[in-house]
Amino acid sequence: QSALTQPASVSGSPGQSITISCTGTSSDVGSYNLVSWYQQHPGKAPKLMIYEASKRPSGVSNRFSGSQSGNTASLTISGLQAEDEADYYCCSYAGSNTAVFGGGTHLTVL
Amino acid sequence: QVQLVQSGAEVKKPGASVTVSCKASGYSFTTYYMHWVRQAPGQGLEWMGIINPSDGSTTYAQKFQGRVTFTRDTSTSTVYMELSSQRSEDTAIYFCARPGGTTMGGTWFFDNWGQGTLVIVSS
Repeated sequence: QSALTQPASVSGSPGQSITISCTGTSSDVGSYNLVSWYQQHPGKAPKLMIYEASKRPSGVSNRFSGSQSGNTASLTISGLQAEDEADYYCCSYAGSNTAVFGGGTHLTVL
Repeated sequence: QVQLVQSGAEVKKPGASVTVSCKASGYSFTTYYMHWVRQAPGQGLEWMGIINPSDGSTTYAQKFQGRVTFTRDTSTSTVYMELSSQRSEDTAIYFCARPGGTTMGGTWFFDNWGQGTLVIVSS
């Protein structure tokens, strides 16, 4: 099972919007609406930000949104804030009771 | 509230096995699956597998098949991850992660994480 493809890094200025892509295949992302996104600050456990491609858990800012088209899922963060600087990972169900993560994207808030 | 408390850091020699525990509280232990995820230093997250605490059934990522074993103890609401024949590349933080729901969809996202257990494999 190959990792999902994410850009290694993205950056944006405070107040701007950024989008992180997560590209899989027709065997994982493209077959299921089961992509989730996690934020991880250094030394911390990951935090769920988006599940089932576009649903936001309670307590997560509405500045975070998710979408999916075909084999690619996307996480958009609007109104960038300094505290959004972190690593972001996508994850997808991959069939046969397995899952696969993306390689991760480091977000820098300039 | 849901809590997942993992065992402490370990240092192991190459070729040895390690067992990491994850004690759950705040919910019905046998109702939710449990996943294991690891993260090597400076690297990304890697899904290792899943266990059904109700019946002990497991699915492992292909990469770990034959080397990893998940078990559970329902009397103590604890799941265990044993990794054998370790090599330096197994140096990582190991996390247990509980899914957000009990349906098919709910099983495949993780809304509660343990604090992580650092395992160092070094001669």
